[in-house]
Parts: sequence; C-alpha cells; structure tokens
Amino acid sequence: DTGVSQNPRHKITKRGQNVTFRCDPISEHNRLYWYRQTLGQGPEFLTYFQNEAQLEKSRLLSDRFSAERPKGSFSTLEIQRTEQGDSAMYLCASSPSLGQGNYEQYFGPGTRLTVT
Amino acid sequence: AQRVTQPEKLLSVFKGAPVELKCNYSYSGSPELFWYVQYSRQRLQLLLRHISRESIKGFTADLNKGETSFHLKKPFAQEEDSAMYYCALSLNILTGGGNKLTFGTGTQLKVEL
Repeated sequence: DTGVSQNPRHKITKRGQNVTFRCDPISEHNRLYWYRQTLGQGPEFLTYFQNEAQLEKSRLLSDRFSAERPKGSFSTLEIQRTEQGDSAMYLCASSPSLGQGNYEQYFGPGTRLTVT
Repeated sequence: AQRVTQPEKLLSVFKGAPVELKCNYSYSGSPELFWYVQYSRQRLQLLLRHISRESIKGFTADLNKGETSFHLKKPFAQEEDSAMYYCALSLNILTGGGNKLTFGTGTQLKVEL
C-alpha cells in the first residue's frame, strides 16, 4: 500500500461538462475526506465518509457536486455542469476511525481541475 | 464557526536563524491543533499535533489557549525546512467532532543560505 491515490492527477474540461474524480484510501482506513484547494488558500473541507455513509457535507458542496463511497472503499467525486470557479486542486484524505487511536489524516496527491 | 489565521504568506530566514510561524485560531470549545507541511512536489503531510507534545524535525508548537495561538518554532532553520506550512484545527473527536480539518491559508517558509 503506497498511501492514498487519486486519479486522474490532472483534468482539463470545458465549462458545462461533467467530471468525475476517484480516490483510493489506505486500505484499513474507515474515514475518507474530500477537500478543495484554490490558489493561495488552504484546503477547504467538502465532505467525509465513515465507511459507506456520508456523514457531513460542507455548504461549499453545491447541488452540482456529489460524492459516493459505495462499498466503503474507494470514493468518487462528481461535478456536474462545471463552472470556471470549480477550477481547483481536489484533495482526498483518509484516516482510521474513532477508537483506533490515531486520527491522522493521510492525503493523496490531489487532482488538479482546470475548467476552460 | 472555527477559523484559523496565518498572518504571513511568506517568511524568509537565513540558515541557522530561528523560525517562528504564527497561527491563531478561533473556536470556543476544545480543538485539536495541527501543523501540516507540503514540500515541493510532495503531498500534504502531518508535521505535528499539539496533543502529542513532541518535537518533529526540530519543530515544536505549544498550544496557548489564553492567546488562542499555536505557533510553530524551530531554533535553527535548515535549508530542507523550506516548504509550505499549514496550521489546521479539528474539533475534539471525543466530544463529537467529525475530525474534519479547518486550515489556515498557509505560510511559505524559505530558508536562504
């Protein structure tokens, strides 16, 4: 296991198109998080999963965004009808769940989205 | 709502000089504070957390609840310390916090020879 992986690493799309990103967490981690990072800013929380349950969504996550983690393993983040303001780095992180002692979040390399 | 402030976007120091990266937070409860670091072309990684009270790569950070600060310090900067540093806050997971992180805007540390 080489850590959290994300695909694709880069995505260029035209405004109005749909895009989907994938995140594969560290295999024994129950929690999975999505963050978005724009230029000059720190990562901003979008949503997180405990196994397959989506437990919290940020107000940043408009109805054009949807995330899933169908079997409690990998997760996908879909953006419909992309806008130029969606251009950002999308980061995924995973961590053990409550009760396993270490809550450190391990981050993936990110997917850089450019909407033209 | 919780908030993390890092007032400096860029901090430039000479090798061997002391380093202090400032971080202030606002939250009325008992948060957990972290420092994350991102070296060039690498992913974001945890540097240290206040609850561990340990020194990592010569860095330390003390949580000051009175001043709501969690400044990162190192007595002698090294060239390899050059990186982007993010202060982050998480609500106490034991009291129901979801462990999501709220990040500051980051400080780019540049150590010059």
